[in-house]
Amino acid sequence: KQEVTQIPAALSVPEGENLVLNCSFTDSAIYNLQWFRQDPGKGLTSLLLIQSSQREQTSGRLNASLDKSSGRSTLYIAASQPGDSATYLCAVTTSGSRLTFGEGTQLTVNP
Amino acid sequence: GAVVSQHPSWVICKSGTSVKIECRSLDFQATTMFWYRQFPKQSLMLMATSNEGSKATYEQGVEKDKFLINHASLTLSTLTVTSAHPEDSSFYICSARPRLAGALREQFFGPGTRLTVL
Repeated sequence: KQEVTQIPAALSVPEGENLVLNCSFTDSAIYNLQWFRQDPGKGLTSLLLIQSSQREQTSGRLNASLDKSSGRSTLYIAASQPGDSATYLCAVTTSGSRLTFGEGTQLTVNP
Repeated sequence: GAVVSQHPSWVICKSGTSVKIECRSLDFQATTMFWYRQFPKQSLMLMATSNEGSKATYEQGVEKDKFLINHASLTLSTLTVTSAHPEDSSFYICSARPRLAGALREQFFGPGTRLTVL
C-alpha cells in the first residue's frame, strides 16, 4: 500500500526566505507526483506535476524535484511571500489513476 | 481549461436526511471521476472511483449503500450521502480525469463541498 509522508507538518518563516518542503513515498511505481496548494476551507490548486520520467519542474518561484528511486520529492519556494501561506499537499498517482496524498505541510510566511 | 465545478459549495442538513452533491467537468469529458473526503486538519482520503456508465469502485471501509455515486454522463457525477449523521460532516472534494488524459493521468479538482449535519 502506497504511503506518502510530508515533513515538516508545519513551518513558519519570515518573508523573503527560501524554503524546502519534503515529501516521501513508499512505492516507487508511480506515474507522476503532484504538489498542490490548499487554502483554508478551499479546494486544491495544482502547482506542479512531475511525470515519473522527469527529474524536476519549475513554475515561477516554485521548483519541484523528483527522485523516484529513493521515493522522494522536494518543493522549493524562493523568496517566500505572505501570500504563499497555505497548506501544501504532495500526492502520487499509482495504478488505476489512484492519487495518494500526504498529510500536508502548513506554511506560514510572516510579513 | 480543465475546470471542475461542485454544487452546492456548502450545505447544512438535519440528521437522517439525504444530501446530493454534484461534480461537473465544464470544458472536458471525464471518463473517470473521483470522490474524496477531508476531515479537519487531515489530508484527502479517496472514497470511490466512478467510471461513466458503470458502477463505482469504493475504497475499503466506505459504505456503498450510504454514499451513492452515479456517473451518468461524461461530464457529471453525483454523490448522495444517505441518512446523513453528524459524523458524516466533512469536506467532500471531487476530481475528474479527462478522457484524453493519456499517460499524464492528471486529475482536475473541484472546489469542494462543505457538509454539516446537525
